[in-house]
Amino acid sequence: DQQVKQNSPSLSVQEGRISILNCDYTNSMFDYFLWYKKYPAEGPTFLISISSIKDKNEDGRFTVFLNKSAKHLSLHIVPSQPGDSAVYFCAASSEFSGNTPLVFGKGTRLSVIA
Amino acid sequence: AAGVIQSPRHLIKEKRETATLKCYPIPRHDTVYWYQQGPGQDPQFLISFYEKMQSDKGSIPDRFSAQQFSDYHSELNMSSLELGDSALYFCASSLAGPNPTDTQYFGPGTRLTVL
Repeated sequence: DQQVKQNSPSLSVQEGRISILNCDYTNSMFDYFLWYKKYPAEGPTFLISISSIKDKNEDGRFTVFLNKSAKHLSLHIVPSQPGDSAVYFCAASSEFSGNTPLVFGKGTRLSVIA
Repeated sequence: AAGVIQSPRHLIKEKRETATLKCYPIPRHDTVYWYQQGPGQDPQFLISFYEKMQSDKGSIPDRFSAQQFSDYHSELNMSSLELGDSALYFCASSLAGPNPTDTQYFGPGTRLTVL
C-alpha cells in the first residue's frame, strides 16, 4: 500500500511560469516531509523540508505548503527554469526529522520548456 | 564538499551469484541508510546503521545482509541473486548527533543488473 502518493507522473511547464508538484500521504503518523530532486545518473538531492507544526516553508524559488487535514503537500517553484527539469520525489518520516528512514512517493518528472 | 561515494556504479551478475555494494558516507556522518529503487518505482528503505549498529530494518530480503565498519563505511551483501533484484541501490548518510542533520544525503547509486 503506497503511503506517499504522487499522482502525476509528469508535468510540463513553460520557463518563467509556476510549477506545482503535489503529494498526498495516508499515514497520519508522518510529521516531517521532504522534497528531493533527482537528475539522471545522480542520487536524489535534498531540496526543502517542512515539519508538521508548520504549514509553509520557503527557500528562494521553492515553497512547500502542508495541509495536514487533507494530508496533502505541494511544492511550488517560481519562476521555473530549464535547470529545474528533473524527477521530484516527495518523502515522509514519523520522527520530526529527515534523519530517519524515509518513505518515498514514485516521483513526478518535471520538464521546464524554454 | 565531499559527497557520499558508492561503488561500483554499475554491476552485472548472473542469477544465484553474490554481489557486494559499498558505501562511503560523508566524512563525520555516523548514520548510513540503504534504499532499493526498482524500475519505475519509489526508493524503498532496506536497512540503516548508526554508530556501526543496525538502527532500523525495512523491506530487506533475508538473502541480503549489511554492516557498517569502524570507519563508518557500509557494505550491502546480496546472495542468491534473483532477476527481481535488478534495481538502483542508493546509499545515504546523515549525522545523528551532535548537531544532527535534518536530512539524508544520497550517493549516486549502484545499478545492479541480474541476468
